[in-house]
Amino acid sequence: AQSVSQHNHHVILSEAASLELGCNYSYGGTVNLFWYVQYPGQHLQLLLKYFSGDPLVKGIKGFEAEFIKSKFSFNLRKPSVQWSDTAEYFCAVNRANAGGTSYGKLTFGQGTILTVHP
Amino acid sequence: NAGVTQTPKFQVLKTGQSMTLQCAQDMNHEYMSWYRQDPGMGLRLIHYSVGAGITDQGEVPNGYNVSRSTTEDFPLRLLSAAPSQTSVYFCASSYHLRDRGRRNTEAFFGQGTRLTVV
Repeated sequence: AQSVSQHNHHVILSEAASLELGCNYSYGGTVNLFWYVQYPGQHLQLLLKYFSGDPLVKGIKGFEAEFIKSKFSFNLRKPSVQWSDTAEYFCAVNRANAGGTSYGKLTFGQGTILTVHP
Repeated sequence: NAGVTQTPKFQVLKTGQSMTLQCAQDMNHEYMSWYRQDPGMGLRLIHYSVGAGITDQGEVPNGYNVSRSTTEDFPLRLLSAAPSQTSVYFCASSYHLRDRGRRNTEAFFGQGTRLTVV
């Protein structure tokens, strides 16, 4: 079965520190990759996505992620975090057929709680 | 557009009671799905639908029923609530996005329903 693993359950940083959150998935076929963020008490919002092409993708709020196919990884990065980045971050994968159709079914990682101290 | 709307936002049920969580989307998306979110487990797929009249099971379908009579609505039914169903429930809708000739899907989430079964 397809699985998604996020390396850290809870990351604590000070403002201006750099961030890297790890994500690995187990499926070897065509995948679409996502990072979602959930601020306290809110719903999931899309940070960035990767479908194909340039493996370095840029998202909202200064976040970026790099897809490394050989490592089955899709790590999230931000050069300098802010207090407002405090949230839970989810990596998600959906398996696509050759035409890219995946029916929107997502497999999520366990989530990483990021706490940024001012 | 309202996007994906879920009702109610909060609900407390007694063991054995039944209820329906409502989900509606106004984006004419083909695909809709239900997830439950539990601490440390990310989001897990309960049921999904690829169009009106077509539904299928996800990773954790037991204890839940769905139907999809229209493109817009995708209700989730708990026939006999159990404490193990205490969770936050998210509905999502997805559409096809063409990127470099591939048809990919991107999910949009509702605000969630926090359900407690006592």
